[in-house]
Amino acid sequence: AQKITQTQPGMFVQEKEAVTLDCTYDTSDQSYGLFWYKQPSSGEMIFLIYQGSYDEQNATEGRYSLNFQKARKSANLVISASQLGDSAMYFCAMRWFGGSQGNLIFGKGTKLSVKP
Amino acid sequence: GAGVSQSPRYKVAKRGQDVALRCDPISGHVSLFWYQQALGQGPEFLTYFQNEAQLDKSGLPSDRFFAERPEGSVSTLKIQRTQQEDSAVYLCASSFIQGPYSGANVLTFGAGSRLTVL
Repeated sequence: AQKITQTQPGMFVQEKEAVTLDCTYDTSDQSYGLFWYKQPSSGEMIFLIYQGSYDEQNATEGRYSLNFQKARKSANLVISASQLGDSAMYFCAMRWFGGSQGNLIFGKGTKLSVKP
Repeated sequence: GAGVSQSPRYKVAKRGQDVALRCDPISGHVSLFWYQQALGQGPEFLTYFQNEAQLDKSGLPSDRFFAERPEGSVSTLKIQRTQQEDSAVYLCASSFIQGPYSGANVLTFGAGSRLTVL
């Protein structure tokens, strides 16, 4: 069965520093996609970045990058130059392309707190 | 609309009451999903629609949960005879792309409906 593991319940980072949020996944499928979402206290899930299992380059979106290590089944999110507005819950998610059309499986999340 | 709209944002129900949660997806979005998010947990899949067809309801926890999308746009999640364990945030998401090999099929989420069952 597919599974997402986020081992850091909470993380602290100083403003303007970089932070890495860990995510490992378990799947026997070869075709899948990995996503990171941000959930601020308002509750809405905000899409950050996507990595396909066949993408050779690590995905980047502005200050967000995804450190994809396929052999280790890890997809860590790196946030550079943290800002106070980055304080939120962060969820790693996976879709396997052989499953329910578009269904995402989420990890339990990491709460990031950015200190001024 | 510009985003996914959910109502009510907050609902308090007495145990045994029926509740209905509404989701208004982004106009033109084919796919619609419902997720349940318990406190301190990640969202868990409940059900999926492609237009008006409910293609997957494997995540619905019991037959007290029912979802519909009769005209392929607005969806309603109904919970009958609510129990305390139903207390959670119910998230709706929609996407334009359909089909299993859709790559970066990014889901756009609403802000959720927080249900508290007393």
